Amino acid sequence: KAGVTQTPRYLIKTRGQQVTLSCSPISGHRSVSWYQQTPGQGLQFLFEYFSETQRNKGNFPGRFSGRQFSNSRSEMNVSTLELGDSALYLCASSSDRNYGYTFGSGTRLTVV
Amino acid sequence: GESVGLHLPTLSVQEGDNSIINCAYSNSASDYFIWYKQESGKGPQFIIDIRSNMDKRQGQRVTVLLNKTVKHLSLQIAATQPGDSAVYFCAEFSWDYKLSFGAGTTVTVRA
Repeated sequence: KAGVTQTPRYLIKTRGQQVTLSCSPISGHRSVSWYQQTPGQGLQFLFEYFSETQRNKGNFPGRFSGRQFSNSRSEMNVSTLELGDSALYLCASSSDRNYGYTFGSGTRLTVV
Repeated sequence: GESVGLHLPTLSVQEGDNSIINCAYSNSASDYFIWYKQESGKGPQFIIDIRSNMDKRQGQRVTVLLNKTVKHLSLQIAATQPGDSAVYFCAEFSWDYKLSFGAGTTVTVRA
């Protein structure tokens, strides 16, 4: 059974640019969550989607957005990138019945 | 707001010994907790979970204990191996579909 797949693995962007990250959940999982991981703030919740609906959003500025498609794949977008957006962005999926979220390996975003 | 925290940022353990990693949580309404292991360059890996209607749950070489009275969670790893070297996080799952993570404990296994 394939795990959670995130693409790309690494990304370097310039301040002011925008970026889109992709996540393919485990087959059959309809809940997808995104987290930002930094050395200073640890793991911070960004948002959660279920059946194309955002059920919760973390305390991040509006530059951070996401969506989920009908096949449960999800994307997150960060516009007007800032140096502080450099982080590991993690996607996790769950069947939403047992709450056992499985994480992908993440996308390492570096903003220069 | 509520938070999930770990008592110690680092833990050094002799290979073969047992490891105990602690976590305190503040939301008494929390009813689901998960322990994750994160190795360098990888995402968090699910280890074991426990619901608030349980005090103890065992897996392969791991045991999670939950003390709701003092809002404390612990992860015990039996016969620690070099492959257990990683950062360990406790996480609290809340009603609004969010995992709140502690700061993490870095476990180093000495040969």
